[in-house]
Amino acid sequence: DQQVKQNSPSLSVQEGRISILNCDYTNSMFDYFLWYKKYPAEGPTFLISISSIKDKNEDGRFTVFLNKSAKHLSLHIVPSQPGDSAVYFCAARATTSGTYKYIFGTGTRLKVLA
Amino acid sequence: SAVISQKPSRDICQRGTSLTIQCQVDSQVTMMFWYRQQPGQSLTLIATANQGSEATYESGFVIDKFPISRPNLTFSTLTVSNMSPEDSSIYLCSVGRGGYDTYEQYFGPGTRLTVT
Repeated sequence: DQQVKQNSPSLSVQEGRISILNCDYTNSMFDYFLWYKKYPAEGPTFLISISSIKDKNEDGRFTVFLNKSAKHLSLHIVPSQPGDSAVYFCAARATTSGTYKYIFGTGTRLKVLA
Repeated sequence: SAVISQKPSRDICQRGTSLTIQCQVDSQVTMMFWYRQQPGQSLTLIATANQGSEATYESGFVIDKFPISRPNLTFSTLTVSNMSPEDSSIYLCSVGRGGYDTYEQYFGPGTRLTVT
């Protein structure tokens, strides 16, 4: 049972335009959602997170939107740059008895075209 | 943020042997996490390691196969025991930092393991 889903395996966007990466989840008990960027042969790089009590969080070119009723979150990158080309993972955190459990989506490969 | 280093960065091992992966963080953290990313797959949490207590393993992972040590607040090791080709993966450690309504998680560069 995949509790965190990224249904688009890949996305191509022109440089300067907006990139929108989507993520759906099934567990309403998740308390944080996180986005990561991953280059080949490197560990994931944390980008931005959002608490389940919020619906939007911004950090520079990155904005994450959370729609709890739809169990959907999205990452907007504006403007997109060629250096943003990477695999993007969303992840969700559940807290149980003081311990954390993280579930990752399968990733979306973003290609920003110059 | 947190700076995390892992050793080794990669290794090729024979089946039936064991490999210990080290993870060092530049500051003290309560929880450290170990993940696996198999080829073409997403990241899967193996276990959570708290200093001074037994690691908490996720479903499908057991201590005999993946023993973890957490001797202090900046260091942890993961051992992959009695390896088989199915253990070929990237192994990553990570730490989390949180405030009232913020949370960030940082990863090491990973250890690429190939079992032949």
